[in-house]
Amino acid sequence: QKEVEQNSGPLSVPEGAIASLNCTYSDRGSQSFFWYRQYSGKSPELIMSIYSNGDKEDGRFTAQLNKASQYVSLLIRDSQPSDSATYLCAVKLNFGNEKLTFGTGTRLTIIP
Amino acid sequence: EAGVTQFPSHSVIEKGQTVTLRCDPISGHDNLYWYRRVMGKEIKFLLHFVKESKQDESGMPNNRFLAERTGGTYSTLKVQPAELEDSGVYFCASSQGQHVGQPQHFGDGTRLSIL
Repeated sequence: QKEVEQNSGPLSVPEGAIASLNCTYSDRGSQSFFWYRQYSGKSPELIMSIYSNGDKEDGRFTAQLNKASQYVSLLIRDSQPSDSATYLCAVKLNFGNEKLTFGTGTRLTIIP
Repeated sequence: EAGVTQFPSHSVIEKGQTVTLRCDPISGHDNLYWYRRVMGKEIKFLLHFVKESKQDESGMPNNRFLAERTGGTYSTLKVQPAELEDSGVYFCASSQGQHVGQPQHFGDGTRLSIL
């Protein structure tokens, strides 16, 4: 079992719709969760972080965390063509262990 | 504020040769990380510096890889001798403190091809 699992996609969503990206993780000790967006040939760019159960909203983005189910998701509302990218889920264990464990990423395409 | 910069952006070398990758973190960031993504796989952690000290090098694949951060500023990652399986994209990231959830900021990576 992979430590962090994501559906590799591609996921196609019409412009203006909600894109839903999902991620599960295996280590119950995980404390911090991150969503990065990566355009082809560019650096992973942090778009959301979440540490507590529940929802966290930032503009069109909402991250959802359920530690009991070991599940974290990212919702993108009013999807735009510029949202087309690969979305990486990353998990950090706890203080003192700073390494990020990544999923393979989900490729998202927004269809105009 | 300049982001994390990596050099070179691409490197093509033959098996058995030596290559050195460089990373300049964001100014003031004590933490510096190296990651690697091989084709079709996830980004994987290699090692973590706090200033000039290696905090965690559990992800380094073998002793052909040598990372240094003299003076606690920029870092280099040397591969000697390079093997075919070392091909991939090498990312560097940096962060400020060690608080839980402190974000890591990534560079654009060095695409390394071993022929």
